[in-house]
Amino acid sequence: DTEVTQTPKHLVMGMTNKKSLKCEQHMGHRAMYWYKQKAKKPPELMFVYSYEKLSINESVPSRFSPECPNSSLLNLHLHALQPEDSALYLCASSQGGGLNYGYTFGSGTRLTVV
Amino acid sequence: AQTVTQSQPEMSVQEAETVTLSCTYDTSENNYYLFWYKQPPSRQMILVIRQEAYKQQNATENRFSVNFQKAAKSFSLKISDSQLGDTAMYFCAFMKHAPGTYKYIFGTGTRLKVLA
Repeated sequence: DTEVTQTPKHLVMGMTNKKSLKCEQHMGHRAMYWYKQKAKKPPELMFVYSYEKLSINESVPSRFSPECPNSSLLNLHLHALQPEDSALYLCASSQGGGLNYGYTFGSGTRLTVV
Repeated sequence: AQTVTQSQPEMSVQEAETVTLSCTYDTSENNYYLFWYKQPPSRQMILVIRQEAYKQQNATENRFSVNFQKAAKSFSLKISDSQLGDTAMYFCAFMKHAPGTYKYIFGTGTRLKVLA
């Protein structure tokens, strides 16, 4: 298995909703990441997990809450989002936990906040 | 602060021809990593090639190769024998990791279209 699987592929949510994005990989990668990508823009780093511990939080608003329940799973919990949070949310993983390798990306979740 | 610049927003190339995408970056670091990623219209981003700054030898992966000029802070991607499947957005990225800090910065991308 050489994939990063993200679910759901599309999500529409209201500003008062609570939803979660899920990311899964079975490549034995020990570093996992959340990125946000707006249309026609490069990805922007949100969170980095290394060996299931949050190592980097790029000053992301608290309405985004990451969770890494085990070495294969990464969740992003969403609450009280704003329309400007609409974007493609990408999950990625990399070998080991040393953070020095290239990423394997998932296909992303297209989020629309209404 | 590190920056990554891709000065060519769009490029096109005829099938089977060679094309070079440019990338420059700005950093005061000595040890870092550079990457090229490809994002086809289906949107999944794929790692194309990786270069460690401490290695002088340019990285190659099949039809993809880089020209890494550390002193000039330049990291261009050459695609040989271009194929229709190479049509995608290409992102250059800079990475530096040290205890307590992690920088992974993408350029703004170059949209490449391979013409039949």
